[in-house]
Amino acid sequence: QVTLKESGPGILQPSQTLSLTCTFSGFSLSTYGMGVGWIRQPSGKGLEWLANIWWDDDKYYNPSLKNRLTISKDTSNNQAFLKITNVDTADTATYYCARIAWTGYNAYYFDYWGQGVMVTVSS
Amino acid sequence: EIVLTQSPTTMAASPGEKVTITCRASSSVSYMYWYQQKSGASPKPWIYETSKLASGVPDRFSGSGSGTSYSFTISSMETEDAATYYCHQWSSTPLTFGSGTKLEIK
Repeated sequence: QVTLKESGPGILQPSQTLSLTCTFSGFSLSTYGMGVGWIRQPSGKGLEWLANIWWDDDKYYNPSLKNRLTISKDTSNNQAFLKITNVDTADTATYYCARIAWTGYNAYYFDYWGQGVMVTVSS
Repeated sequence: EIVLTQSPTTMAASPGEKVTITCRASSSVSYMYWYQQKSGASPKPWIYETSKLASGVPDRFSGSGSGTSYSFTISSMETEDAATYYCHQWSSTPLTFGSGTKLEIK
């Protein structure tokens, strides 16, 4: 059974660094082909992809966040992490982590999602 | 960046009615993916690789398309289908989602 759960600070101030943790079970990020992604959703708005990390430590980022993102993993503890530096109110959102399913050549999607964690940036 | 344009933005359908949502990509994509999201819940995978139903998805749902034009269809609307549906592409980074279609029951 695959499960993922996000955790984060809840609230933080502008210019601080947001640190998020995704703790998962039912799969391993050391297994060939496995990956985890981070997606966020401001309240009442759409989904925005942030970053992916793969079993081989390959990483992909959304360039719109201009080098503010760092994704990493701890395979021993079945965790993935996302840091966002210099946050502002526009980073207020629910943050999801999701497992990446690899279904064929150039065919991937997010097949299991966490429940999400709300993050508010406010002074 | 590939922009995905969904239409309509919102719609309401009566039970039993056929529903079609379209998603147009600004550049050609290999596949389209669709997610269902109900209020207060995480998105769920609904259709993958354009036309394959995710686990547990009823067969009244279907997807089709190619290149830059894709569609998502419910053959006969049921009350439980009321949700927001998002299209999603993974052909190139940054990965992008459509802005969503909110489907309500009449």
